[in-house]
Amino acid sequence: SQQGEEDPQALSIQEGENATMNCSYKTSINNLQWYRQNSGRGLVHLILIRSNEREKHSGRLRVTLDTSKKSSSLLITASRAADTASYFCATFGSDNFNKFYFGSGTKLNVKP
Amino acid sequence: DTGVSQNPRHKITKRGQNVTFRCDPISEHNRLYWYRQTLGQGPEFLTYFQNEAQLEKSRLLSDRFSAERPKGSFSTLEIQRTEQGDSAMYLCASSLTSSQETQYFGPGTRLLVL
Repeated sequence: SQQGEEDPQALSIQEGENATMNCSYKTSINNLQWYRQNSGRGLVHLILIRSNEREKHSGRLRVTLDTSKKSSSLLITASRAADTASYFCATFGSDNFNKFYFGSGTKLNVKP
Repeated sequence: DTGVSQNPRHKITKRGQNVTFRCDPISEHNRLYWYRQTLGQGPEFLTYFQNEAQLEKSRLLSDRFSAERPKGSFSTLEIQRTEQGDSAMYLCASSLTSSQETQYFGPGTRLLVL
């Protein structure tokens, strides 16, 4: 399976702290994307990082990609209660450009 | 609102009944995807369309499931003879033509089969 897997499964932090989530995948990828999902809602795209990129920033988000370790991390700095959500990584495989594989997500709880 | 929309948002049905969900993608997006998501899991790919052509179907999509996109715009997903195991969130997403592009998701249709 090319499915990404996030780690940890759940994370609870205080507002203002940083949150780091990791994603590992199994095969070659062309890009990796991070999504956020609030409870019972659709997914919101956060950031896309291509296989030839190592780091990318967007506001309070920082994503890294290590293709040699087949892993990525998502860092949310100065977290807010509104960041409480599930976070998923998703990959397009290099052998199937049309199928998008999601991990099972990290459930982040930011306590006010 | 120019995002992806899905209707209905919630559906409760009895086992054995048929249900149909609708997805309206972002207007300029050629690709449309259906996913299924169960509690505590990430979305699982079901099928996708390039314009009106259904190009790939997952093995998760049993014979009871059928999807259409007749005019290359909105899409419907029908489940016949629903089973309790079909209870899940059904998500639709759309993207531009390139398969590597970002997918934009709708709010989902939550199905409960009693």
